[in-house]
Amino acid sequence: EVQLLESGGGLVQPGGSLRLSCTASGFTFSASAMSWVRQAPGKGLVWVSAINPRGDKTYYADSVKGRFTISRDNSKNTLFLQMYSLRVEDTAVYHCAKEGGIVGGTVGDLWGQGTLVTVSS
Amino acid sequence: DIQMTQSPSSLSASVGDRVTITCRAGQGIRNYLAWYQQKPGKVPKLLIYAASTLQSGVPSRFSGSGSGTDFTLTISSLQPEDVATYYCQKYNSDPPWTFGQGTKVEIK
Repeated sequence: EVQLLESGGGLVQPGGSLRLSCTASGFTFSASAMSWVRQAPGKGLVWVSAINPRGDKTYYADSVKGRFTISRDNSKNTLFLQMYSLRVEDTAVYHCAKEGGIVGGTVGDLWGQGTLVTVSS
Repeated sequence: DIQMTQSPSSLSASVGDRVTITCRAGQGIRNYLAWYQQKPGKVPKLLIYAASTLQSGVPSRFSGSGSGTDFTLTISSLQPEDVATYYCQKYNSDPPWTFGQGTKVEIK
């Protein structure tokens, strides 16, 4: 089955750290660019970070630059998001998404159910 | 960064109505525009890319148009299963993805 399964979310205090994982199955993970997109409760979609198939190019939203690190292990079909210095405003469901390549860029053609990160004291 | 602005933020229409959602880019993005549907409690689903290309399996009542800065998503005959929030997304440059704020569609 083609799917993405996130894990690693939870409750963390402001200033804390958390590492999210996204395990892929049913497609060639090593050939796919991947992204993290978050959605605060009751709010819209916000792109967080992206990584190319080989893992040597990464991209970040300004709001997380310097605090979050995206990485991947193609041998384990797994995407990661290491989050440091977490803030209350980082509270959200974090989805990983497979990027489908089209003319001009990529779109999210497969999404995981997400993992909830709650930053609160 | 290019901002994406959707309107309206919500709408209520009757089954069978024609529904139109607008998305405006802060600067020209050619046709590098996608639309997603997110039903309550579900993950986003890609509907349209390249402004007007229907993703495989998406019902033909959905259509997209536009280029440059102004885009529209049209549902030609609203169905109960179309209740969802719809997002536009530009995908052409840094940052790679920027989403609109969403349009919530309900049945009257």
